Amino acid sequence: DIVMTQFPDSLAVSLGERATINCKSSQSVLYSSNNKNYLAWFQQKPGQPPKVLIYWASTRESGIPDRFSGSGSGTDFTLTISSLQAEDVAVYYCQQYYRTPITFGQGTRLEIK
Amino acid sequence: EVQLVESGGGLVQPGGSLRLSCAASGFTFSTYWMSWVRQAPGKGPEWVANMKQDGSEKYYVDSVKGRFTISRDNAKNSLYLQVNSLRAEDTAVYYCARHIAVAGTWGPFDYWGQGTLVTVSS
Repeated sequence: DIVMTQFPDSLAVSLGERATINCKSSQSVLYSSNNKNYLAWFQQKPGQPPKVLIYWASTRESGIPDRFSGSGSGTDFTLTISSLQAEDVAVYYCQQYYRTPITFGQGTRLEIK
Repeated sequence: EVQLVESGGGLVQPGGSLRLSCAASGFTFSTYWMSWVRQAPGKGPEWVANMKQDGSEKYYVDSVKGRFTISRDNAKNSLYLQVNSLRAEDTAVYYCARHIAVAGTWGPFDYWGQGTLVTVSS
């Protein structure tokens, strides 16, 4: 199984400041035949299902604000929120869909400092 | 508008069974890979199973193999999960999720339902 490890586990950032969440996979999730990284980022707020923010490591889902961006390749990935807003308080998960079992990171809880 | 609505959850004793359903609308259900994902209280999501558009391929996480069965009825725009031999550790909210269409394989999730709660307890 591909193990996804996120760091930090929790993060407190001031409003308007940058938030950075990292994710490392135990194996590469880059598919060589199409040069795509099978990596997604989700945001989850209490009582709601996860919501996709980013997929293919850096493609922003329709309707997601451009302050959210994803980067990285192979085994190391980053989700960046360029200017934290109050509504961004949530738990964030990375996920690989390169192969089954599809696996998620343990989550990073983002709070306002 | 894409909608996924799960049902069938409830309280069940250890060793019991349930059939979870996911009613899909707002898209051509038969052209998408679909998954079940669960989330235990206070924990992160765990992928459970997925199924190809025509039902010819299905995959499971090891912890449910032999106990859970994923199926679909494209004529009814519905996805199902038969859960048998339930254990306390199967207690979770069960979500169905749609995979973005990708040629030849599954893509990332784009839509999730609101989930149905399964509680396994005596």
